[in-house]
Amino acid sequence: QQPVQSPQAVILREGEDAVINCSSSKALYSVHWYRQKHGEAPVFLMILLKGGEQKGHDKISASFNEKKQQSSLYLTASQLSYSGTYFCGTATGTASKLTFGTGTRLQVTL
Amino acid sequence: DAGVIQSPRHEVTEMGQEVTLRCKPISGHDYLFWYRQTMMRGLELLIYFNNNVPIDDSGMPEDRFSAKMPNASFSTLKIQPSEPRDSAVYFCASSLGLAGAYEQYFGPGTRLTVT
Repeated sequence: QQPVQSPQAVILREGEDAVINCSSSKALYSVHWYRQKHGEAPVFLMILLKGGEQKGHDKISASFNEKKQQSSLYLTASQLSYSGTYFCGTATGTASKLTFGTGTRLQVTL
Repeated sequence: DAGVIQSPRHEVTEMGQEVTLRCKPISGHDYLFWYRQTMMRGLELLIYFNNNVPIDDSGMPEDRFSAKMPNASFSTLKIQPSEPRDSAVYFCASSLGLAGAYEQYFGPGTRLTVT
């Protein structure tokens, strides 16, 4: 079953913050985050493994709450380059395939 | 490394024709994945290979779809005969391991239009 992302779309002004959520009905081993710009391939951002760790690089970070089967992606001080569609991908085990979420379209404006 | 390579980048064909999409994974990656992306269904996994062997083809929509990986550096996805509902962007991705702990690297995709 496909994980559900919220919101479906968000518009920000440059410098504002955003949170994108990913929720699954299954017990998860890991959550992946990807960003896809229009007309391009999805690009890997980060993986969060079971254990509730939080990760981040630059001004993009994420958390994973394994008890709730939820992950959140945090974008702080957004830049124009952050625009695109963000997908979470979930895996239920170490040897499982990835199931992608519905996507969240993010647009950053001046 | 050049990354995952796909060809062609765009394909326009008529209904009933055979379509072959090609993929070269990143050298050293043992896993290769074929995805289809549409507005309606999002990003769907069609099939994946491990060491050139098809492991899970449960996402292949119909018998009209077939995929092969004759060696570690080449894979094909074939649609025969093609139908308008097959129109989509097809991505190939590769990784060092399965989704549990390994990121996937996507190719640029093939945009297929069946008229």
